[in-house]
Amino acid sequence: KAGVTQTPRYLIKTRGQQVTLSCSPISGHRSVSWYQQTPGQGLQFLFEYFSETQRNKGNFPGRFSGRQFSNSRSEMNVSTLELGDSALYLCASSFGGENYGYTFGSGTRLTVV
Amino acid sequence: QQQVKQSPQSLIVQKGGISIINCAYENTAFDYFPWYQQFPGKGPALLIAIRPDVSEKKEGRFTISFNKSAKQFSLHIMDSQPGDSATYFCAVPAGTASKLTFGTGTRLQVTL
Repeated sequence: KAGVTQTPRYLIKTRGQQVTLSCSPISGHRSVSWYQQTPGQGLQFLFEYFSETQRNKGNFPGRFSGRQFSNSRSEMNVSTLELGDSALYLCASSFGGENYGYTFGSGTRLTVV
Repeated sequence: QQQVKQSPQSLIVQKGGISIINCAYENTAFDYFPWYQQFPGKGPALLIAIRPDVSEKKEGRFTISFNKSAKQFSLHIMDSQPGDSATYFCAVPAGTASKLTFGTGTRLQVTL
């Protein structure tokens, strides 16, 4: 079966711009989580959506936001980009509830110049 | 905020040797402790996970050992192979089951 699909794979943006990243979860998965991965801070939780509702949120500024659609696909948006937002953004999906089996996509590599 | 301490930061093991990576956590309300494996250019992939109603879980060459009283768990890779060369992360649910706090990662290199 198809895995978690993230688009685009690579992005280059300029400081001050905004960006939208997309994630298509595994069919049947209702939970989608987003993580930021950087060499300095490692893997950090951004937020989780379940059945179109944000269920959990990490410690990131309000410039980072997301949403989930009725088909479980999710998008995350970063506004007013800063150089420090350069990172690999990972999406992970699971059935949700007490199922812990999160499957990650290959990520979107965002570079802010 | 949950902290997860992972060691060592990097590890070089000869082919056929045993790789051991350790993880220590503070507190968690959830009994689920996974290890993820990440290759360059890929997202982390769930390797093996344990629920601490048992102290050890083995899947092929990979074993998790869990010490609940010490709040530590470790990954053992037996008969390490060059294809095991990757970065390994432990993770602990933090606050909720769906929010994982990851360790800082261990870069494993298996040499011939």
